[in-house]
Amino acid sequence: SYVLTQPPSVSVAPGQTARLTCEGTNIGNTNVHWYQQRPGQAPVLVVYDDTHRPSGIPGRFSGSNSGNTATLTISRVEAGDEADYYCQMWHASSDYVFGTGTRVTVL
Amino acid sequence: QVQLVQSGAEVKKPGSSVKVSCKASGGTLTNYDINWVRQAPGQGLEWMGGIIGFFATPNYAQRFQGRVTITTDASTTTVHLEVSSLRSEDSAVYYCALVSSGTVFDFWGQGTLVTVSS
Repeated sequence: SYVLTQPPSVSVAPGQTARLTCEGTNIGNTNVHWYQQRPGQAPVLVVYDDTHRPSGIPGRFSGSNSGNTATLTISRVEAGDEADYYCQMWHASSDYVFGTGTRVTVL
Repeated sequence: QVQLVQSGAEVKKPGSSVKVSCKASGGTLTNYDINWVRQAPGQGLEWMGGIIGFFATPNYAQRFQGRVTITTDASTTTVHLEVSSLRSEDSAVYYCALVSSGTVFDFWGQGTLVTVSS
């Protein structure tokens, strides 16, 4: 089955930039989506199809995808960005696949 | 805007079954996929299966084949997830999630906590 690997944790100071990676074989050949999950809440879509933001998501959230790595970038990090973030894609061998998740801590 | 509202928390004995519901409202649902994703305590998200197109046949993740059943009630725009032969490892929050196009989960239900305990 297809595996998406994310670093378990990322720490960032307020106002700085957080870059969250999602690694998978040839992931750049497919669309990747990113979800934010705050404690006790359902996931919320923050980036879809590699680079697009749903309405209501701040422009501080952006995405890219190439080769074997997709990246979610959070600029000008705020305390409210502290959450778990998951990448997700669809793969023929596994249907829907989620990454292992990254916990973002705002220092 | 589509909203997904799930049924309430459940406590079940090992070996029994649980049925969780997800009611959809707003928009035309016949072209949507409704999926189920679970999250064990302190763990990540895991896709279990879904209905491809609201009236079509279900599709299950391989590891849940034979133990999970997804059905629809078109008259109430409700999708059900039934998990049988419950074990403690099935204790988790179960989410329904909608795919309106492509492969992205656009909208999520609020989650249903299922606790399996003797």
